[in-house]
Amino acid sequence: KAGVTQTPRYLIKTRGQQVTLSCSPISGHRSVSWYQQTPGQGLQFLFEYFSETQRNKGNFPGRFSGRQFSNSRSEMNVSTLELGDSALYLCASSLNRPSTEAFFGQGTRLTVV
Amino acid sequence: AQSVAQPEDQVNVAEGNPLTVKCTYSVSGNPYLFWYVQYPNRGLQFLLKYITGDNLVKGSYGFEAEFNKSQTSFHLKKPSALVSDSALYFCAVRHFAGSARQLTFGSGTQLTVLP
Repeated sequence: KAGVTQTPRYLIKTRGQQVTLSCSPISGHRSVSWYQQTPGQGLQFLFEYFSETQRNKGNFPGRFSGRQFSNSRSEMNVSTLELGDSALYLCASSLNRPSTEAFFGQGTRLTVV
Repeated sequence: AQSVAQPEDQVNVAEGNPLTVKCTYSVSGNPYLFWYVQYPNRGLQFLLKYITGDNLVKGSYGFEAEFNKSQTSFHLKKPSALVSDSALYFCAVRHFAGSARQLTFGSGTQLTVLP
């Protein structure tokens, strides 16, 4: 069974640009969550999608957005990039039961210069 | 609000010795608790979870964790540490308000096993 796949693995962007990250969940998983990991702030929740609907959103500015497609694949977009957006972005998928564990992809390392 | 605390940023232990990585939580209602491990430039790997039942849960790679409701703790343990256990460890609580399934993570503990 394939794991969670995130593309691309590495990305370098310039301030002011926008970026789109992609996540393919484990087959059968319809819940997809995104997290931002930085040395200073640790792991912070961005948003969660289930059946193409955003169920919950973390405390991030509106420049951060996402969506989920009918095949459960998800994308997140960051517009008007800032230096502080440099981070490891992690996607996790899970079954729709609170007792089940989330499985993480290897992440996308975004560097904003 | 739900939260997780990992009081130690760094834990050092000699190979072959037992290890403990501490975690305390704050949550309303019954918690769902998880431990994850992260190796450099990788995503998080699931180790074990506590849902209900036996307070001692066993997980991958010989790790186990003890749930203590009165102390609101969920410490990760291993009887004999290996150099390959050196990694960043995260404790997490499943936060669900309504139907949400997000995880709230602790700040992480860097475990170094010395040969």
